[in-house]
Amino acid sequence: NAGVTQTPKFRVLKTGQSMTLLCAQDMNHEYMYWYRQDPGMGLRLIHYSVGEGTTAKGEVPDGYNVSRLKKQNFLLGLESAAPSQTSVYFCASSRGTIGEQFFGPGTRLTVL
Amino acid sequence: AQSVTQLGSHVSVSEGALVLLRCNYSSSVPPYLFWYVQYPNQGLQLLLKYTTGATLVKGINGFEAEFKKSETSFHLTKPSAHMSDAAEYFCAVTLWASGAGSYQLTFGKGTKLSVIP
Repeated sequence: NAGVTQTPKFRVLKTGQSMTLLCAQDMNHEYMYWYRQDPGMGLRLIHYSVGEGTTAKGEVPDGYNVSRLKKQNFLLGLESAAPSQTSVYFCASSRGTIGEQFFGPGTRLTVL
Repeated sequence: AQSVTQLGSHVSVSEGALVLLRCNYSSSVPPYLFWYVQYPNQGLQLLLKYTTGATLVKGINGFEAEFKKSETSFHLTKPSAHMSDAAEYFCAVTLWASGAGSYQLTFGKGTKLSVIP
């Protein structure tokens, strides 16, 4: 089992460009999450999904959109990237809301 | 607001010394508690967790943590630090998110552990 995988691992964007980050999990988990990690800020929840076709906003959703068309995939989109979105993005999945979350290796995004 | 506090953003210990990383949370409901470790340029890996039962929990790599309900704490310890323990450690607590109407995992801001030879 690959667990949680993320594509791409690194990306550099110019301000105003768009991109999509892909997260895939092979554990048949219902719940999936997108976090951003910034120095001294810990992990902050951007959006999450409680099942195929459903999404919800987390703590810092502005500037991001998500989609969960298939149970195993969770996409994070940036429509118009800004330098403030320079960060490391982590995807995670879990069986339920109160249990352990399994994390992907992260995507390092730089917006110039 | 319910929160998770890790005391000390950076902790340095000598190799062989005791490691103590502190975590306190605010919750009126007994939570599920986790410690994750993040090595440089990697994702988060579960170190240990408390759900129910015995309050002293043992994890990987010789780490353990004790849930103290009266102190709302879940401190992480290891008797003897090794160079390979140098990493960032995150405490996480399942707290009720009233806005979402569900439990959510809330992370502390992390403690970076340095081990001095």
